[in-house]
Amino acid sequence: QVQLQESGPGLVKPSETLSLTCTVSGGSISSYSWSWIRQPPGKGLEWIGYIYYSGSTNYNPSLKSRVTISIDTSKNQFSLRLSSVTAADTAVYYCARGREGQQLVRYYYYMDVWGKGTTVTVSS
Amino acid sequence: SSELTQDPAVSVALGQTVRITCQGDSLRSYYASWYQQKPGQAPVLVIYAKNNRPSGIPDRFSGSSSGNTASLTITGAQAEDEADYYCNSRDSSGNHPNVFGTGTKVTVL
Repeated sequence: QVQLQESGPGLVKPSETLSLTCTVSGGSISSYSWSWIRQPPGKGLEWIGYIYYSGSTNYNPSLKSRVTISIDTSKNQFSLRLSSVTAADTAVYYCARGREGQQLVRYYYYMDVWGKGTTVTVSS
Repeated sequence: SSELTQDPAVSVALGQTVRITCQGDSLRSYYASWYQQKPGQAPVLVIYAKNNRPSGIPDRFSGSSSGNTASLTITGAQAEDEADYYCNSRDSSGNHPNVFGTGTKVTVL
């Protein structure tokens, strides 16, 4: 059974770069897409971006200038870097596996495996 | 538009049926996926594609789509169904590749 685990610093200073890693266990990362999602305290879910095993990426336009997602298939890991952080970036950060396809006349995309999440606080 | 709109909150009596809707232009091309989130926990996928449930999700959860609206129905709601529910969709036509709905808090009375 595939499991995801986020790791990284729980505290980041303003203007610095937030770096998180998601380790995939129980299966290969060399397939599917891999996403980062965050949730500020008391608020809803926000999609940050995803990466395919090929290295192709797609980002939330509101974060695109500050986000980089990378993948290391040899380690079965993918990573998030978010630069120039502010207090507004304080959130629980989740990683998730994405799957996609087509059924009848519509396409589908869903995230079927999620990590437990890691809390990142931006504060001096 | 790249937004997905949900009602902020709904309530349902124990054992009754509740439907949660999600509206957005992207839903004309993509099926929504639905996620249940309980306090302090990661989201859990409950419905994907046309009307598919992952293993372990009770069959009281079902999904449907029509035009720009996706719906999640809980038939015979149980106390453990009280949670926040989010829809999600890709958007290949707009500038926003992927978006979550605003979320619906379901209270079971």
